[in-house]
Amino acid sequence: RKEVEQDPGPFNVPEGATVAFNCTYSNSASQSFFWYRQDCRKEPKLLMSVYSSGNEDGRFTAQLNRASQYISLLIRDSKLSDSATYLCVVDAYSGAGSYQLTFGKGTKLSVIP
Amino acid sequence: EPEVTQTPSHQVTQMGQEVILRCVPISNHLYFYWYRQILGQKVEFLVSFYNNEISEKSEIFDDQFSVERPDGSNFTLKIRSTKLEDSAMYFCASSETGSDTEAFFGQGTRLTVV
Repeated sequence: RKEVEQDPGPFNVPEGATVAFNCTYSNSASQSFFWYRQDCRKEPKLLMSVYSSGNEDGRFTAQLNRASQYISLLIRDSKLSDSATYLCVVDAYSGAGSYQLTFGKGTKLSVIP
Repeated sequence: EPEVTQTPSHQVTQMGQEVILRCVPISNHLYFYWYRQILGQKVEFLVSFYNNEISEKSEIFDDQFSVERPDGSNFTLKIRSTKLEDSAMYFCASSETGSDTEAFFGQGTRLTVV
């Protein structure tokens, strides 16, 4: 069974704080990795893809460790608008033509004024 | 910005009834998906669709479910004989290529089976 595990939180942090989320995945054949953001009762929206070399987008930095099957997301200088659930998402690669995504349960972040 | 649109936003149905959830994927996308999210739980894959046929489906997607692309723009999920446990948010998604590119999600249809 292909799983994605995340710390459910909630993480309650003050504005301006740095917060880190971790995720592990079980399918060693997975090839694509993402962080999605989901606001309450809304659809998931892509925050960023995650590459082996690590990548940064403004205040957000994502890292991937294929050997450990571990993904991280770092948010610097947290804003109130960052409050959401952060979903670790991995492709459930099971052979050519596999297109499904496997979602973690998400980590809830609340940024407090 | 192009978006995936879903209708209706909320559907209430009686147990045993059939429902059809509708989606209009982004126009130049080739891959279409249905996911569901039971309240408080994770997003779960149901089915992917490419080139007018199902390319993958999960164990959730049993004979009760079917998908169709009736014309060039719509993509539908039909649930026959709904059960209470089918109550969930159903998300349609589309992507330009396969799972190595961003999947854009619609705003979802909240299905409540009573």
